[in-house]
Amino acid sequence: DADVTQTPRNRITKTGKRIMLECSQTKGHDRMYWYRQDPGLGLRLIYYSFDVKDINKGEISDGYSVSRQAQAKFSLSLESAIPNQTALYFCATSLQGAAEQFFGPGTRLTVL
Amino acid sequence: GEDVEQSLFLSVREGDSSVINCTYTDSSSTYLYWYKQEPGAGLQLLTYIFSNMDMKQDQRLTVLLNKKDKHLSLRIADTQTGDSAIYFCAESMNTGRRALTFGSGTRLQVQP
Repeated sequence: DADVTQTPRNRITKTGKRIMLECSQTKGHDRMYWYRQDPGLGLRLIYYSFDVKDINKGEISDGYSVSRQAQAKFSLSLESAIPNQTALYFCATSLQGAAEQFFGPGTRLTVL
Repeated sequence: GEDVEQSLFLSVREGDSSVINCTYTDSSSTYLYWYKQEPGAGLQLLTYIFSNMDMKQDQRLTVLLNKKDKHLSLRIADTQTGDSAIYFCAESMNTGRRALTFGSGTRLQVQP
C-alpha cells in the first residue's frame, strides 16, 4: 500500500466551483506539504503544516486554503476555482529533523 | 530569495553517462536533492547530499557539490532507457519551514 495517497487522482471542474483535494499518509510523519507543478516551473509550495495546529502559507497560497484534520490528513481547497489553477498538485510528508520528503502520486486538476 | 536553475533537456545514448547540472543561489541551503519523475507518476527521491559534503555515490548515481560555485550535478553511469524521466534538483534549509525549492526539471531522453 502507498504511504502517501491523494484523492482524487484526476478532476475536471468548472470556473467558480469549490474543490477539495485530499491527502492521507500512513508514515506517521508530523509535517505535510502541498505543492503545485506547472510545466517548465518545477514545483511550488502552496501551504505547509508542521502539526495539526501549525499551518503556514507557502509561496503561492492565494486562492487556496488548507485543513489539517488529523496528523495523517491534510486537505487543500480551492474555494472558487479559476483556469490558472489547472495544474498537477502534490502532497508531501516529512519527519521533523529528517531531510527527506515523500511525495504522493499527484492530483491532476483541470479548471475549465 | 531562493532560486534553483536547471537546463531543460538532455539527450544521451544508452550505455553512456548522463550529467545533469543544477545551480542554486541560497548559500544557506543545507540539503540538496535529486528527484526523478516518470511520466504520470509522482516524485521519487533518488538521493540527497548534505551541504558539508562534496560528493556522494550510490550505485550508478554520483552527486557532486561545489558549494563555492553553488553548483550541483547528478551523474548517471551506464544510462538505460528506464532512466528516461524528468529530474528535479531541489534545496532546503535546516531551519524554518524545511519545504523544498525546486528547479524546473531536466528532461532526460535516452536513445536506444
